[in-house]
Amino acid sequence: DTAVSQTPKYLVTQMGNDKSIKCEQNLGHDTMYWYKQDSKKFLKIMFSYNNKELIINETVPNRFSPKSPDKAHLNLHINSLELGDSAVYFCASSQEIYRRDNPAQYFGPGTRLLVL
Amino acid sequence: GNSVTQMEGPVTLSEEAFLTINCTYTATGYPSLFWYVQYPGEGLQLLLKATKADDKGSNKGFEATYRKETTSFHLEKGSVQVSDSAVYFCALSGGSGGSNYKLTFGKGTLLTVNP
Repeated sequence: DTAVSQTPKYLVTQMGNDKSIKCEQNLGHDTMYWYKQDSKKFLKIMFSYNNKELIINETVPNRFSPKSPDKAHLNLHINSLELGDSAVYFCASSQEIYRRDNPAQYFGPGTRLLVL
Repeated sequence: GNSVTQMEGPVTLSEEAFLTINCTYTATGYPSLFWYVQYPGEGLQLLLKATKADDKGSNKGFEATYRKETTSFHLEKGSVQVSDSAVYFCALSGGSGGSNYKLTFGKGTLLTVNP
């Protein structure tokens, strides 16, 4: 009964390649996110989507393009991969966000990307 | 903007010891506060949350109280187990100066519990 799933779990690729990471949630949530965790375990938001619309793009290079085909999916495509893109990428989802309610976010298992 | 400061790790304890991991935050208004745990090689799991001042979140023997006067949300557990070894993240969302659409994380605290 996976709540938030990501594929692939591991991704090893060469510099300059283009790759995609897929995320799906079966929690019925309206909001989905991508976070990046660097080698020091620091986590930072990349994108937030609410009802398939982009809400936050946190100064992420244009090489990163999220796509939400429906509320249950949020994919991340990365063009022209660079060494510095090596990290763990986490997808998350939450219930709809209302004015004064900050619901908890539920995370996927992560995709470990290594760029050689 | 919002920020979260956690005590630097690593923290090493013996089984059954008392645990405190300090967390303070900078935010205006009324952010929601969270603790997440990351076990080795896994994703983040929500451990507990608090959404308003004086709320106490609790789960699996862990507790944290939202203290607005000291802008703190310290994590405590009375008796740790080897299985509690993990990285613990304090996080917040919302508040007047922040967005409800993202979590701002502390840098994480690695806890190792020895038998």
